[in-house]
Amino acid sequence: KAGVTQTPRYLIKTRGQQVTLSCSPISGHRSVSWYQQTPGQGLQFLFEYFSETQRNKGNFPGRFSGRQFSNSRSEMNVSTLELGDSALYLCASSSTGGVEKLFFGSGTQLSVL
Amino acid sequence: AQRVTQPEKLLSVFKGAPVELKCNYSYSGSPELFWYVQYSRQRLQLLLRHISRESIKGFTADLNKGETSFHLKKPFAQEEDSAMYYCALSSLQGGKLIFGQGTELSVKP
Repeated sequence: KAGVTQTPRYLIKTRGQQVTLSCSPISGHRSVSWYQQTPGQGLQFLFEYFSETQRNKGNFPGRFSGRQFSNSRSEMNVSTLELGDSALYLCASSSTGGVEKLFFGSGTQLSVL
Repeated sequence: AQRVTQPEKLLSVFKGAPVELKCNYSYSGSPELFWYVQYSRQRLQLLLRHISRESIKGFTADLNKGETSFHLKKPFAQEEDSAMYYCALSSLQGGKLIFGQGTELSVKP
């Protein structure tokens, strides 16, 4: 089985731009969650989707949004980028919809200049 | 507030020495705790869950509700154990994990 796939691996953007990151879960997994990883704040939960519905959202501003498609693929969007948005964005999928076992992707490294 | 604390950023031991990576949590209710590991240039992956009470790669972790701890232990460290270790708590809200800041374990030959 292919693992969780995130594209692109690296992104460089400038302040004020917007960005879209993509995540393809393991086949058959219907839950996708997103985490932001920074050296200062560590791993922080962004949101979680199950069967195209956002079930849970972390404490991030409204500039961070996401969606999930009928094939379970998910995208997250960050609008009006700020320097502090520079981070590794990780996507994880789960077969159960819970957190009993999350499978993580390699992440997208976003640099905001 | 739900929180996970890993007090050590870096833990360095010699091969064959015992290892204990500390994790403390704050949570109201019955927590569900995990250890995740990230080896160099690899993905973050689940190491073990407290509910499984299993030993993975020689590691064990016992949930101590009195001390609100979930320390990860291994009696004899190996060089291949060198990695970042994250303790995580399943949120009351469900569907999300609250991670500690991580501890880098370095096992020297």
